[in-house]
Amino acid sequence: EAQVTQNPRYLITVTGKKLTVTCSQNMNHEYMSWYRQDPGLGLRQIYYSMNVEVTDKGDVPEGYKVSRKEKRNFPLILESPSPNQTSLYFCASSLSILAGRGATQYFGPGTRLTVL
Amino acid sequence: GQQLNQSPQSMFIQEGEDVSMNCTSSSIFNTWLWYKQDPGEGPVLLIALYKAGELTSNGRLTAQFGITRKDSFLNISASIPSDVGIYFCAGRNSNSGYALNFGKGTSLLVTP
Repeated sequence: EAQVTQNPRYLITVTGKKLTVTCSQNMNHEYMSWYRQDPGLGLRQIYYSMNVEVTDKGDVPEGYKVSRKEKRNFPLILESPSPNQTSLYFCASSLSILAGRGATQYFGPGTRLTVL
Repeated sequence: GQQLNQSPQSMFIQEGEDVSMNCTSSSIFNTWLWYKQDPGEGPVLLIALYKAGELTSNGRLTAQFGITRKDSFLNISASIPSDVGIYFCAGRNSNSGYALNFGKGTSLLVTP
């Protein structure tokens, strides 16, 4: 089944304790992206990757890191989490960044992160 | 990225009624997407539009890519309780970056 998976689905942590949220897709998609969703603010892009070893900042990259060593995986790293990073996080992927059908993004189920 | 203007913000309707929502942008897009999000889940793609003027249906859902390329509409006919959720529009212009721009969502409640 074609899908985007994220782990963990739920995470409670404390300020300053490094964490990684994993994202994996099995559709051989080139483009992957991380979003955070907050009440009243909708979906905001954190980072995206156009292919292996190619990443770039989105709208709200501060406090986050990403890596793309393999095509299928795009982990999100919080080196020193803070309470303002408490949010619902989504990973998404699409076939390519070109216009048309390849641009359609598919989302993972989400990771709810709480930083105390 | 650019935030799209999506309206209405919320709708409270009775089962069987038709629903309309729309999204506007200040810039031209060449892709419009409509998603539905259930509580605690990720957005699920409903309809994708790739050409100005395109009208596409998916069951009781119909979406249109506006002629001006700055807007899109989603209609749901004969609503049922399982239509409850948040509907998001998203658009992209590949000539001005790779980000997908999202609306803030329309929250739909359907009473039996």
